[in-house]
Amino acid sequence: AQKVTQAQTEISVVEKEDVTLDCVYETRDTTYYLFWYKQPPSGELVFLIRRNSFDEQNEISGRYSWNFQKSTSSFNFTITASQVVDSAVYFCALSGNNDMRFGAGTRLTVKP
Amino acid sequence: GAGVSQSPSNKVTEKGKDVELRCDPISGHTALYWYRQSLGQGLEFLIYFQGNSAPDKSGLPSDRFSAERTGGSVSTLTIQRTQQEDSAVYLCASSPRGLAGWANTGELFFGEGSRLTVL
Repeated sequence: AQKVTQAQTEISVVEKEDVTLDCVYETRDTTYYLFWYKQPPSGELVFLIRRNSFDEQNEISGRYSWNFQKSTSSFNFTITASQVVDSAVYFCALSGNNDMRFGAGTRLTVKP
Repeated sequence: GAGVSQSPSNKVTEKGKDVELRCDPISGHTALYWYRQSLGQGLEFLIYFQGNSAPDKSGLPSDRFSAERTGGSVSTLTIQRTQQEDSAVYLCASSPRGLAGWANTGELFFGEGSRLTVL
């Protein structure tokens, strides 16, 4: 069975701090996709990134970066120089043969 | 509209009543998903459709829950004899890429959800 674990329930940082959100997954599929979604206070989930299981290159997009390590089954998400607008719940997700499973989410609060 | 549309946006019902939640996916999206998000909780997978069929119903919490999808488009999630623990936001999402041999590669596009409150 597929499983996504986000051990950090809540994180609070001060603006401009860097913060890393952890994601660990379990799957028996050899081919799969990993995702991060953002759920701001407005409630609607927003897609951030997708990585496939064959591509372990780290990715950077502006202040966001993702570290995919197959050896440790982790797909961590780092926000550099955090801003108040980054405050949201962030979900890691895993897609395999049949469905997409989400982690429990990490609530990030960035204080001014 | 161009996005995933869900209705009703808010539903308050009495315990024991049946409710229907509707999802209108983005036109042309073959995969459709239902999730449940309880207050302060993560996303609980309920069911997904590939076209009109539902290969995986394992996430449905009980036999009071059922879902169908017709014409490869609109889906309805039905909860019979609602209980207070059914109170949650029910999220629908669709994806432009359904299963193609081995994997759903597309990101999900979410609706705004239907907030269900069972008194």
